[in-house]
Amino acid sequence: DAGITQSPRHKVTETGTPVTLRCHQTENHRYMYWYRQDPGHGLRLIHYSYGVKDTDKGEVSDGYSVSRSKTEDFLLTLESATSSQTSVYFCAILIESSAGDTQYFGPGTRLTVL
Amino acid sequence: GENVEQHPSTLSVQEGDSAVIKCTYSDSASNYFPWYKQELGKRPQLIIDIRSNVGEKKDQRIAVTLNKTAKHFSLHITETQPEDSAVYFCAASPPADRGSTLGRLYFGRGTQLTVWP
Repeated sequence: DAGITQSPRHKVTETGTPVTLRCHQTENHRYMYWYRQDPGHGLRLIHYSYGVKDTDKGEVSDGYSVSRSKTEDFLLTLESATSSQTSVYFCAILIESSAGDTQYFGPGTRLTVL
Repeated sequence: GENVEQHPSTLSVQEGDSAVIKCTYSDSASNYFPWYKQELGKRPQLIIDIRSNVGEKKDQRIAVTLNKTAKHFSLHITETQPEDSAVYFCAASPPADRGSTLGRLYFGRGTQLTVWP
């Protein structure tokens, strides 16, 4: 599982409330990513990080913010959750090697916004 | 940015038959093409990948082919088994010097493969 965990694994919240999802890795990889997965859309990148305090937007970043104050943790925050943010959220890390870089996913968080 | 299209969206085969899933990409500079398998309720798992310096790669019953000229790549599964049933995603990754971050993946929308016993 490449040492990636996500918390919580399931969450139900109400519209307008803030929500923070956590991704934790144990192996000090530089690159971390947040994706959302929705039926018919595959996986879409929300935000990514290339080091502590270094983050940037992906293709569906509106309504989301991220923070990375430690190498091992990448947090995704929904400042004011909306029903359109009901989705499954996957964190991923990039394992860099001389043979080529490979991306591995965490177990996912299922978020329901009522 | 890169655009990846994947076909078919659903595929049903009899156990023992072969299955082929095809993807096209738009950015000719993309140089890395992984395939992920996702079982219901689980995370996407990398099953095979290919880089642009090779045309084909095999791993037991799974193979991937890449045609850079036509900008398409395909996943081939031979001797399919019921446990191959899952959603399969292709992805493409442009190099980091194309204004993209290292490791940035653009995914197809997925193919639901069902293998009937």
